[in-house]
Amino acid sequence: DTGVSQDPRHKITKRGQNVTFRCDPISEHNRLYWYRQTLGQGPEFLTYFQNEAQLEKSRLLSDRFSAERPKGSFSTLEIQRTEQGDSAMYLCASSPGQPSSYNSPLHFGNGTRLTVT
Amino acid sequence: SQQGEEDPQALSIQEGENATMNCSYKTSINNLQWYRQNSGRGLVHLILIRSNEREKHSGRLRVTLDTSKKSSSLLITASRAADTASYFCATALDEGNNRKLIWGLGTSLAVNP
Repeated sequence: DTGVSQDPRHKITKRGQNVTFRCDPISEHNRLYWYRQTLGQGPEFLTYFQNEAQLEKSRLLSDRFSAERPKGSFSTLEIQRTEQGDSAMYLCASSPGQPSSYNSPLHFGNGTRLTVT
Repeated sequence: SQQGEEDPQALSIQEGENATMNCSYKTSINNLQWYRQNSGRGLVHLILIRSNEREKHSGRLRVTLDTSKKSSSLLITASRAADTASYFCATALDEGNNRKLIWGLGTSLAVNP
């Protein structure tokens, strides 16, 4: 178990550019979540995958945001035409699916810190 | 949306002292979870308490849950400098439904050596 890994750790981009983040969950976990966290706040749910299916998207996820999880393994989160308000820590988490998912905790990666200038 | 409200927002103690953080929430829950976050890192799960439980222990951690008051507390005994972090509570409204976790704003704990 190598944990959840996210890449890159830091990303600085200019407003209007596109960025893509990657998350590799724990290999036996079939549930994957993306969260966004700004300074002094708790995580805000963005989207959720069960295997390769994206089952839920938050209203926070505007049409500039898209997430994929091809083959139910790693996931990518892309932000198009970045805005300064997109500056935040983007966290990925994974957890086991049924039947072991009963109250199973989330395992988080160390996040990607995005700064939009 | 934020449901949990941690109290205090910030706490500074000396090494060896106990630290108590509180979390209040608004709706009925299935379980409540506590996580720790070191600066610039991801969150680490500490302990989960179900709605039919009143107290749980894990090492130096003790969590209580009072569903009548819709509140929980996290006690860290004999604190260490390494306990310096932000602590978040998260409530799950449904069983096994972690995508519906609702997070508080966190308590920032500083343990001074």
